[in-house]
Amino acid sequence: DTEVTQTPKHLVMGMTNKKSLKCEQHMGHRAMYWYKQKAKKPPELMFVYSYEKLSINESVPSRFSPECPNSSLLNLHLHALQPEDSALYLCASSQDPGGHTKYEQYFGPGTRLTVT
Amino acid sequence: AQKVTQAQTEISVVEKEDVTLDCVYETRDTTYYLFWYKQPPSGELVFLIRRNSFDEQNEISGRYSWNFQKSTSSFNFTITASQVVDSAVYFCALLWNSGNTPLVFGKGTRLSVIA
Repeated sequence: DTEVTQTPKHLVMGMTNKKSLKCEQHMGHRAMYWYKQKAKKPPELMFVYSYEKLSINESVPSRFSPECPNSSLLNLHLHALQPEDSALYLCASSQDPGGHTKYEQYFGPGTRLTVT
Repeated sequence: AQKVTQAQTEISVVEKEDVTLDCVYETRDTTYYLFWYKQPPSGELVFLIRRNSFDEQNEISGRYSWNFQKSTSSFNFTITASQVVDSAVYFCALLWNSGNTPLVFGKGTRLSVIA
């Protein structure tokens, strides 16, 4: 089973709201990722968790706060977002992030976020 | 610098035609990994193939085939007898072996297959 699930599928929020995006995988993967994708652009990496520890933060504004409660779950907490943060947010996972071989990342269906 | 170039922004073909999507990469590493992903209109990125730098064998999977040439730093993707369901954006991506590094995507090629 190569499935990564994300909830919700769609989210509309105001600039003063607080919301969370959720991601789950049951493939035993130890690396999990958040990407942001704007229309007609490739995904841009935001965060990487490796063995439940934050290992990469690509200079993302603090209004985005990631959390990895356990090896299967990844959350992205959103607060005081701007309209330009509207995008598709993709979660991904891969196995053995610290190993010699680099494995493919499996992506979830994404959350389409609109900030009003 | 690590970089992936997909020079074709959009391609349109008629159903049953063959189509090749180009991918050229740059990396200083001797060990690296190349990937192709498909993103249909639904939005999910679907993994298609991974190729290691030390394995230059070409691969065929059904109507899909990949041609990896280190001499020209290219990893091209061919769809034979294209179908409408192949319509999507296709991304080529590069991952190198130095530590916990991010996946570098090309800008993508939008393929439209017309019935």
